[in-house]
Amino acid sequence: QQQVKQSPQSLIVQKGGISIINCAYENTAFDYFPWYQQFPGKGPALLIAIRPDVSEKKEGRFTISFNKSAKQFSLHIMDSQPGDSATYFCAASEVWGTYKYIFGTGTRLKVLA
Amino acid sequence: EPEVTQTPSHQVTQMGQEVILRCVPISNHLYFYWYRQILGQKVEFLVSFYNNEISEKSEIFDDQFSVERPDGSNFTLKIRSTKLEDSAMYFCASEGQGFTGELFFGEGSRLTVL
Repeated sequence: QQQVKQSPQSLIVQKGGISIINCAYENTAFDYFPWYQQFPGKGPALLIAIRPDVSEKKEGRFTISFNKSAKQFSLHIMDSQPGDSATYFCAASEVWGTYKYIFGTGTRLKVLA
Repeated sequence: EPEVTQTPSHQVTQMGQEVILRCVPISNHLYFYWYRQILGQKVEFLVSFYNNEISEKSEIFDDQFSVERPDGSNFTLKIRSTKLEDSAMYFCASEGQGFTGELFFGEGSRLTVL
């Protein structure tokens, strides 16, 4: 119930390609879905986030698509760049309360030059 | 740009020893968190702290763990008697007032228990 399932575990994309990472959840009480980006040796940093009242949110090359009925959300990175190579974590939490994020298992993205 | 700082960056300890991990959250933040990441696994919530008390804790945060904000700037995580399975990267995070939607994470403290 409290898990967030993330796939794929790793992803290799050519420069300029589209990177797609998927997450699924079970707990319908979750209503805040952030994506965190983590570079080696660094802590996770917020990339983009969405609430379930919208189906899509775009910030630059990064887009979250959200399907409330399927309880799935995904991160799309358009025009992927070598500098996007990092580990990406999806997460979920209930808005009312502290940030007890449930993180996915992470996707290691490598963008080839 | 304000940041969360953590010390030490890496600590090696013997099983059964006490360890204290230190964090300096962003100065005007009010909510503080510890998360951990076992190598190659997901980031897991340990505890949240607000107004000098624990707000919420996970099942992982048992009696061996404690948190403290001793002086209004530092936020510490103590593990009383370390076990091999406590080996992980421990991340401190903080959040400002209100629901901003963003946790600011430090760079982590790697704990290795031998």
